[in-house]
Amino acid sequence: GAVVSQHPSRVICKSGTSVKIECRSLDFQATTMFWYRQFPKKSLMLMATSNEGSKATYEQGVEKDKFLINHASLTLSTLTVTSAHPEDSSFYICSAKGGWNTEAFFGQGTRLTVV
Amino acid sequence: AQRVTQPEKLLSVFKGAPVELKCNYSYSGSPELFWYVQYSRQRLQLLLRHISRESIKGFTADLNKGETSFHLKKPFAQEEDSAMYYCAPAPQGGSEKLVFGKGTKLTVNP
Repeated sequence: GAVVSQHPSRVICKSGTSVKIECRSLDFQATTMFWYRQFPKKSLMLMATSNEGSKATYEQGVEKDKFLINHASLTLSTLTVTSAHPEDSSFYICSAKGGWNTEAFFGQGTRLTVV
Repeated sequence: AQRVTQPEKLLSVFKGAPVELKCNYSYSGSPELFWYVQYSRQRLQLLLRHISRESIKGFTADLNKGETSFHLKKPFAQEEDSAMYYCAPAPQGGSEKLVFGKGTKLTVNP
């Protein structure tokens, strides 16, 4: 199957700083990327959907100014958590799909800890 | 709007027993449904999709339009089947979201 690489896998940052998470499709063109947040023992909560070259579509309750998503190319999307606070600590997961396939491929996730 | 419901948060069976993970959907148009699986410390991955009608790792899932269900079944569970299982409708044009059900944690006991 296709490969999606997410980086970093773990990050610890100080409260008030910003953190950028990258999601790359390594062997296919990702026309659509999804960003999720997973709380402990909970399901994946869709945060936003982004199409290459377009603004991301955020789910209700997700602050777009806090969680900046950029999908500037067909192989890279980034999620920037701005002015991070301890309550932003979570597991963030990206997934990507190409226009030719309805299957989505997932990154390994990023564990963000804000101290 | 596409929506799936997984009524069981936890499911525990013994090795060799049959297992069924339930998924019900509400859908407009023709549904395309997936089961994704997340093993411990691994990334989420596709298990099977209904249009392929495959059996993957002994699992099958039949789309029942009358009952609007897409239950995942395996006749003889194995310990390595222990994982989180998520049902999801495929993102489609005009509604590109990929939204998962709440998931069912399957534990297969020895």
